[in-house]
Amino acid sequence: GAVVSQHPSWVICKSGTSVKIECRSLDFQATTMFWYRQFPKQSLMLMATSNEGSKATYEQGVEKDKFLINHASLTLSTLTVTSAHPEDSSFYICSAGAPKGGNQPQHFGDGTRLSIL
Amino acid sequence: QKEVEQNSGPLSVPEGAIASLNCTYSDRGSQSFFWYRQYSGKSPELIMFIYSNGDKEDGRFTAQLNKASQYVSLLIRDSQPSDSATYLCAVRRGMLTFGGGTRLMVKP
Repeated sequence: GAVVSQHPSWVICKSGTSVKIECRSLDFQATTMFWYRQFPKQSLMLMATSNEGSKATYEQGVEKDKFLINHASLTLSTLTVTSAHPEDSSFYICSAGAPKGGNQPQHFGDGTRLSIL
Repeated sequence: QKEVEQNSGPLSVPEGAIASLNCTYSDRGSQSFFWYRQYSGKSPELIMFIYSNGDKEDGRFTAQLNKASQYVSLLIRDSQPSDSATYLCAVRRGMLTFGGGTRLMVKP
């Protein structure tokens, strides 16, 4: 089945640090990838849709200057949390699948647990 | 009204019983429907997807779709303690929209 690899799986860093998370589709080309955030005991919240070769689409309330997304190739999207603060501590999960309108399922990476001290 | 609604639970069933998880959605144009399982601290994993009205079976899992009623369900037969997790219903029309999830507890 489709595999999505996410790295790193766990990050602990000081406040003010910028953190980059990578999401790779290993056995298929993903023109669209998605970034989610999940706080403890809450549901997934879509942050942004990453489109290969174009700007990401951010959900309402998500600061695009703080959460920088780059989707430079069909197999790699990156999320950079700039100047991270303790309130950014969360579980970040990427997924990849069919572009809009497709019926294929999305597959998730293993997630990145971000802890900002 | 939320686009995809699930009872948050917890739904508690004894080992060996059938667990029934339900999901309703608001967009009649929704085309595809997915069930994901998420263990605590882990990312969601796809269990089943269904596109057409009726039932779709895969091992102990059966997905049921009724587009007229805008209702999709997941049945888990012979529930095991390892099935204890949060089950996320997701609906796609263009974008994929997730419900809040139902926490299932299977007691030995």
